[in-house]
Amino acid sequence: LAKTTQPISMDSYEGQEVNITCSHNNIATNDYITWYQQFPSQGPRFIIQGYKTKVTNEVASLFIPADRKSSTLSLPRVSLSDTAVYYCLVGDGGGATNKLIFGTGTLLAVQP
Amino acid sequence: DTGVSQDPRHKITKRGQNVTFRCDPISEHNRLYWYRQTLGQGPEFLTYFQNEAQLEKSRLLSDRFSAERPKGSFSTLEIQRTEQGDSAMYLCASSPSGARYGYTFGSGTRLTVV
Repeated sequence: LAKTTQPISMDSYEGQEVNITCSHNNIATNDYITWYQQFPSQGPRFIIQGYKTKVTNEVASLFIPADRKSSTLSLPRVSLSDTAVYYCLVGDGGGATNKLIFGTGTLLAVQP
Repeated sequence: DTGVSQDPRHKITKRGQNVTFRCDPISEHNRLYWYRQTLGQGPEFLTYFQNEAQLEKSRLLSDRFSAERPKGSFSTLEIQRTEQGDSAMYLCASSPSGARYGYTFGSGTRLTVV
């Protein structure tokens, strides 16, 4: 599975838009890009998944450039409750490889 | 169905004792995964079941660890002769076959070996 690189931590203030970028230079043709959110003492929670261009849901947007070697998770107008660790993963979404490989993630700290 | 359930939420045990954790996946999910997470790290894959068959095991899963999923429903993870290095959060996740979207994780079992 392709390895990902993302910032260890980020700080933000309530109401701001937060963009977390993930590098995945070795992404394979059939790999999807998936983001998870994890709060302390809880399991990771699926946020969004995409293959190319832009995906948007009620929680976030995912921007993927044409070369797919990076992706950006965008959280609009964050609140204190968005303070969490965010993981970027690449793989075929579990269809064939059957497992997710997590990195260390990005700790987002939202301040008032 | 309220999601993936794990029991217990917390477990404190003395070194050398055996412990067993239980995971109840979402009922229609035939894939089940176990992960381990230590402080400041992302979850690490331990093992995977498709129905009752254990199809993959990580090298992290030493011979002191064993997992079962009888009848393809709930799963148990047993650790024998626990060591302090086993202290971690043990997470279970489930998904339908061929899912290209996210897995559903449980809240985990926090194990502390003293």
